[in-house]
Amino acid sequence: DQQVKQNSPSLSVQEGRISILNCDYTNSMFDYFLWYKKYPAEGPTFLISISSIKDKNEDGRFTVFLNKSAKHLSLHIVPSQPGDSAVYFCAARSGSGDKLTFGTGTRLAVRP
Amino acid sequence: ETGVTQSPTHLIKTRGQQVTLRCSSQSGHNTVSWYQQALGQGPQFIFQYYREEENGRGNFPPRFSGLQFPNYSSELNVNALELDDSALYLCASSPGTSYADTQYFGPGTRLTVL
Repeated sequence: DQQVKQNSPSLSVQEGRISILNCDYTNSMFDYFLWYKKYPAEGPTFLISISSIKDKNEDGRFTVFLNKSAKHLSLHIVPSQPGDSAVYFCAARSGSGDKLTFGTGTRLAVRP
Repeated sequence: ETGVTQSPTHLIKTRGQQVTLRCSSQSGHNTVSWYQQALGQGPQFIFQYYREEENGRGNFPPRFSGLQFPNYSSELNVNALELDDSALYLCASSPGTSYADTQYFGPGTRLTVL
């Protein structure tokens, strides 16, 4: 049972344009959501997070939007840069603790 | 601060064998979590150790076991290896049990079971 889903395995975007990565979840107990970026041969790196009491969180070029009623979140990257090319994982947590439930990832390619 | 390191980088074993994977946590981090990432999938939580005690476990059989040591190192042991155990194994350390934002991942160990 895939509780966190990333339905787009890949995304290609022109440099300078907006990248939108989507994530859906099914478990209504999730109350904290995170995005990780992963380069080849490296571990995932924390990017940005959002609590379920908010609907938006922004950090520089990265913004995460949460729609609780739709159980959907998205990561916006503006403007996209070639260095953003990586696999992006959406993850969710319920209650306290570090146990994370990950999606399957979306591979983003930013074309120069 | 030193990062999270894992050894070995790659490992090949045969079905039925046992394997030990090692992780060195970031200094000062008393919590370590282990994840299994199969090809084309996201990481799946195996278990977490906090101050040398297991503190939560995912849907993995008992042949997956772990140890955490006072020097911030930890081990993941897998007995009776199966072909489906082939995956990237990631460890992640954090300064406590409620610090998902500051969970630092190592580069992983790629295990191949033949």
